[in-house]
Amino acid sequence: NAGVTQTPKFRILKIGQSMTLQCTQDMNHNYMYWYRQDPGMGLKLIYYSVGAGITDKGEVPNGYNVSRSTTEDFPLRLELAAPSQTSVYFCASSYSFGVQGSPRGEKLFFGSGTQLSVL
Amino acid sequence: KQEVTQIPAALSVPEGENLVLNCSFTDSAIYNLQWFRQDPGKGLTSLLLIQSSQREQTSGRLNASLDKSSGRSTLYIAASQPGDSATYLCAVVAGGTSYGKLTFGQGTILTVHP
Repeated sequence: NAGVTQTPKFRILKIGQSMTLQCTQDMNHNYMYWYRQDPGMGLKLIYYSVGAGITDKGEVPNGYNVSRSTTEDFPLRLELAAPSQTSVYFCASSYSFGVQGSPRGEKLFFGSGTQLSVL
Repeated sequence: KQEVTQIPAALSVPEGENLVLNCSFTDSAIYNLQWFRQDPGKGLTSLLLIQSSQREQTSGRLNASLDKSSGRSTLYIAASQPGDSATYLCAVVAGGTSYGKLTFGQGTILTVHP
């Protein structure tokens, strides 16, 4: 059971370039999330999805796009990379949320992260 | 706006000590609170999840308590070991939410030396 898998682990981009961060999970989780972590800071939510075909903005969505065509995959797209997007990106998933009596389903499982530098 | 603060920012203790990490949040209307562990270059691992109606959760040498009214949670680690060295993050989910938007603290860096 691989859990949440992110690729690539490291990437350096030039300003204005585009790239897609890949995320896939094999736990049949409905909910998926993208967070970013800046040095010495906590994580901030970029986008989230509550199921295939459904996505919504989090706290810091500007400069990013997502799609959710399958339950397993939740890629994050950077269209025009900027130095402010230099960060570590984490994908996460959970089975459910807001369902009474199933706290285990609300535990988030994280990928190992993608370290992105925009120069 | 919910803000989460963790104290201390860093902690260094000798092996075998019991220790307490603190987390405070500004809005007491939370849905749940989670404690995570983060190892360098790795993702986060969920340690304990406390629902808003609960007072504490235990897993092995870890015990997390929640006092919603005062906006505080503590993570107690008993008989610390060098393998416990990591960054510990707490995160809260706002009450009434229908998805897992976590608001994180900045973390406590724990070093347990032999």
